Formats: sequence, structure tokens, C-alpha cells
Amino acid sequence: DVKVTQSSRYLVKRTGEKVFLECVQDMDHENMFWYRQDPGLGLRLIYFSYDVKMKEKGDIPEGYSVSREKKERFSLILESASTNQTSMYLCASSLSGIWQYFGPGTRLTVL
Amino acid sequence: ELKVEQNPLFLSMQEGKNYTIYCNYSTTSDRLYWYRQDPGKSLESLFVLLSNGAVKQEGRLMASLDTKARLSTLHITAAVHDLSATYFCAVPPMDSNYQLIWGAGTKLIIKP
Repeated sequence: DVKVTQSSRYLVKRTGEKVFLECVQDMDHENMFWYRQDPGLGLRLIYFSYDVKMKEKGDIPEGYSVSREKKERFSLILESASTNQTSMYLCASSLSGIWQYFGPGTRLTVL
Repeated sequence: ELKVEQNPLFLSMQEGKNYTIYCNYSTTSDRLYWYRQDPGKSLESLFVLLSNGAVKQEGRLMASLDTKARLSTLHITAAVHDLSATYFCAVPPMDSNYQLIWGAGTKLIIKP
């Protein structure tokens, strides 16, 4: 079974803090994704990566950056957290053209 | 630009009834995915539909795809409470091997 893990299930941070969300997959998948999920808006893609050190902006990259130094790990960074970044963050991984497998999600609250 | 629309966005129904969720998409694509999300949980895969006329069934859920109409349906037969969840459809753009464009989700509540 594919396993995608995320470093925290719940996180509370203060405005202006730097926040790191980590995602690890164990199936040697090429592609990894970061989404945020807000009520009524579905899933919105923040960034994705199709190879180590490669990244592409998604629909809402502003205020976020990513890092993929190893194939199995994809990090999402909030350089200076703001209250409008309070959300559920979902990481996913996939082989090209096939299912995206999701991690359990991190519910981030920024105070 | 590919857009994916689901309707309804919210559905409350009684156990034992049948209902259908619709997923429309705006430009050509060669497959469509359905996912389920339980409250407070992550997304789990349900079906992938790979060609026009494809039909997949698992238990009381049946999904179908009409690529000419750019429409997929998820049909629930004799609903049971355990099927309460949010259901998402997702479609890959033709020019991408990586991305999925997501519908907003249909929140389904099945009352005993």
C-alpha cells in the first residue's frame, strides 16, 4: 500500500512565524503535490513537483514556497504565516497519469 | 482552461433512496477520477474512468463517464448511513501528466 505521511495533524502558529509542513511518501513516486482545502472551494493546488529539485507553481502559490531535495520528501514553507493561511493542507503523490494518493492532512491555524 | 463543476454541492437524503451526483468538465480529457472524503479525514480513491462509456461499480456506488457530453455521474443505490461523506471528482488537463483539476465536492448526508 502507498503511504503518504505528513509531519503534523494539527498545528497552531502565530502571524509572522515561519512554518514548515513536511510530507513523505514511500512508493518512489515521481510527482508530489501540496493542496489547501477550504470549505466550499474544493482542493486548490499550491505547488507540485515532478522530480527532485523541480517544482511548478499551482493555482495559489503566493505566500508559499516548496523544497524537494529528496524524491520521497516534499516540504511546504510559509515564509511569514498570515491568518488567511489558516486551512487544511493536503499532500499527495503519484506516478504520472495515475492516482494521486493523499496524506492525512495538516490542519493549520494561524493566530 | 479546464473547469470542473459538481452538483449538487450539498445533498441530504434518507436511507434507502437513490440519488445521482453530477460532474461536468469544460474541455476534453481522457479520464476522470472520483474520491471520497470522510469528515476530518483525507481523500481516498474510489474510481478512475478511462474511456467513453466506462462504468465502474463498488457496492452501492456506480460511476459512469460520457466523454462526448463531458459528464460523469456517481449514482448511489439504496443509500446507507456509512456512505455519508464528501465526494470529489477530478479531471486531468490534456496537456498535463501531473495535475488534476478538482470539483468543489458534494457533501452527502444520509439520514437513518
